[in-house]
Amino acid sequence: AQSVTQLDSQVPVFEEAPVELRCNYSSSVSVYLFWYVQYPNQGLQLLLKYLSGSTLVKGINGFEAEFNKSQTSFHLRKPSVNISDTAEYLCAVRLLLFSGGYNKLIFGAGTRLAVHP
Amino acid sequence: KAGVTQTPRYLIKTRGQQVTLSCSPISGHRSVSWYQQTPGQGLQFLFEYFSETQRNKGNFPGRFSGRQFSNSRSEMNVSTLELGDSALYLCASSWNRDGYTFGSGTRLTVV
Repeated sequence: AQSVTQLDSQVPVFEEAPVELRCNYSSSVSVYLFWYVQYPNQGLQLLLKYLSGSTLVKGINGFEAEFNKSQTSFHLRKPSVNISDTAEYLCAVRLLLFSGGYNKLIFGAGTRLAVHP
Repeated sequence: KAGVTQTPRYLIKTRGQQVTLSCSPISGHRSVSWYQQTPGQGLQFLFEYFSETQRNKGNFPGRFSGRQFSNSRSEMNVSTLELGDSALYLCASSWNRDGYTFGSGTRLTVV
């Protein structure tokens, strides 16, 4: 069965420090990969996505992620975080199936990033 | 370009009642998906509609249903509400399968 694992439920970090949020997935077929950010009582905002091509993907707000097919990972990184980056971060995959209309996102449990001054 | 609009933002219902939530996708987007978000289960896929047809369905009981209109607006309905249905319900629209834009959600509280 396909699944997404976000290894850390909470990540505390000091302002201006680097951060890495980890995401691993399990799938027997090719996937598209996404990172979303969610602020309290808000919807999801797309940070970045990997569809094909370069494995290093740059997104909004200074975030980037690297797709590693052999390790089935898609970790999110930022070299220097701000207080305003405090939020929930969600990793998601979409399966690429050639038959049928299997069009849904499978989400990880989320990682709460807490940036402290 | 207007984003995905979900109404209402907040809703309080009592057990046994039914509720209808609305989602207006981005203009031109024909696919609308619904997700339920709870602290215990996280984000779970409910269903997806494309051109007024349900294309995919998640593992939810039959009390959860939806529909899509010719203008791509979608509604989801939950009948015989249970306390466990309290959640943030999110709608996402897309025009192709590599991009999803989410609305701000409807916070449903069942008392």
